[in-house]
Amino acid sequence: DAGITQSPRHKVTETGTPVTLRCHQTENHRYMYWYRQDPGHGLRLIHYSYGVKDTDKGEVSDGYSVSRSKTEDFLLTLESATSSQTSVYFCAISGEGPIWDEQFFGPGTRLTVL
Amino acid sequence: KNEVEQSPQNLTAQEGEFITINCSYSVGISALHWLQQHPGGGIVSLFMLSSGKKKHGRLIATINIQEKHSSLHITASHPRDSAVYICAVGSNFGNEKLTFGTGTRLTIIP
Repeated sequence: DAGITQSPRHKVTETGTPVTLRCHQTENHRYMYWYRQDPGHGLRLIHYSYGVKDTDKGEVSDGYSVSRSKTEDFLLTLESATSSQTSVYFCAISGEGPIWDEQFFGPGTRLTVL
Repeated sequence: KNEVEQSPQNLTAQEGEFITINCSYSVGISALHWLQQHPGGGIVSLFMLSSGKKKHGRLIATINIQEKHSSLHITASHPRDSAVYICAVGSNFGNEKLTFGTGTRLTIIP
């Protein structure tokens, strides 16, 4: 299995509080992604990174920011959590870009915003 | 934006049956991925293909680029195949990101 972990695995927080989710990989892969998964929707890309300090927005980036200061870590921050951000968040990695290379997924983080 | 539709949404079958899951998309693509999401939530990549057919064990994936359609087949299905199967498509032209379908939930009954 690809070495990819997420922390925390579960979190309950209140509306308006900042939340940071961490994705850590030991594979030295260039690309890292944050997705959210909600009932009735496919996985939706929030942000992705194509290298240290190189990030770009996905289709549902509003209310989220990311940082990648090291190859192995990709942080997702909810600046002021809202109930609509209650979701399961998956981190993924790939060696090449998302089209031509398989992605390895982390175990997911279940976030509940009350 | 590419629209990805999977069918059926839910499928229940007896152990040993031949399973087919379909994926259709609206815009030409460069590659298509099939993924499996286990009941516990973990997601693994099964196939990436851009033409023809690929086989891995009891799993076979085919794609018809002209018809914008892919199928995932499972032969001799087993209860451990019970999972959600997800199709995702991507193109090198324009937005180089994957668009995911909502998945097909497969349940294999012993």
